[in-house]
Amino acid sequence: EPEVTQTPSHQVTQMGQEVILRCVPISNHLYFYWYRQILGQKVEFLVSFYNNEISEKSEIFDDQFSVERPDGSNFTLKIRSTKLEDSAMYFCASTDSFNEKLFFGSGTQLSVL
Amino acid sequence: GDSVTQMEGPVTLSEEAFLTINCTYTATGYPSLFWYVQYPGEGLQLLLKATKADDKGSNKGFEATYRKETTSFHLEKGSVQVSDSAVYFCALSDNTGGFKTIFGAGTRLFVKA
Repeated sequence: EPEVTQTPSHQVTQMGQEVILRCVPISNHLYFYWYRQILGQKVEFLVSFYNNEISEKSEIFDDQFSVERPDGSNFTLKIRSTKLEDSAMYFCASTDSFNEKLFFGSGTQLSVL
Repeated sequence: GDSVTQMEGPVTLSEEAFLTINCTYTATGYPSLFWYVQYPGEGLQLLLKATKADDKGSNKGFEATYRKETTSFHLEKGSVQVSDSAVYFCALSDNTGGFKTIFGAGTRLFVKA
């Protein structure tokens, strides 16, 4: 079965530094998402992306966050100036049609020190 | 806004016991409903889904019925196995105003041999 690929699997950074989390969605998918999960608890919606623009974003997704699809295959999440509370597992997901199942990557564990 | 509420865990059962995990939702439109499962160290994967009222989703012995009148989508399995130990997330997908899928807080299930 095709997979969503995320890199790196672990990222350690200092508070105030910029990080870019990378995702390669499934090739024929059109809808892309970022979620985060803190300590294995609730999966929080960050942003959805379709047709090269943000479709919807949550209150968490403030000016420090941005997403980009720089080419036909990658989908990135940038955090401009990381805070301690940004430490979480970040999941990328994609789907070929809204209201259909999401395919999740294995996640990037971000640790902000 | 949209929300999903599911029963708190952890839920601990003996093998072959009956499982119910309650889920209720609030949505402005006509959402699709999902159950996802997360095994340790992995991303979420779809367990089952239902797209309209009275639909029943089923997979691997798990079932859930979309009940519009009670805004519920409870997960059931007649006989759990040790391998069912995981975290279960109820979710809804709504395209009112934008594309997003939101998740409940998750319910951790432990099954003892």
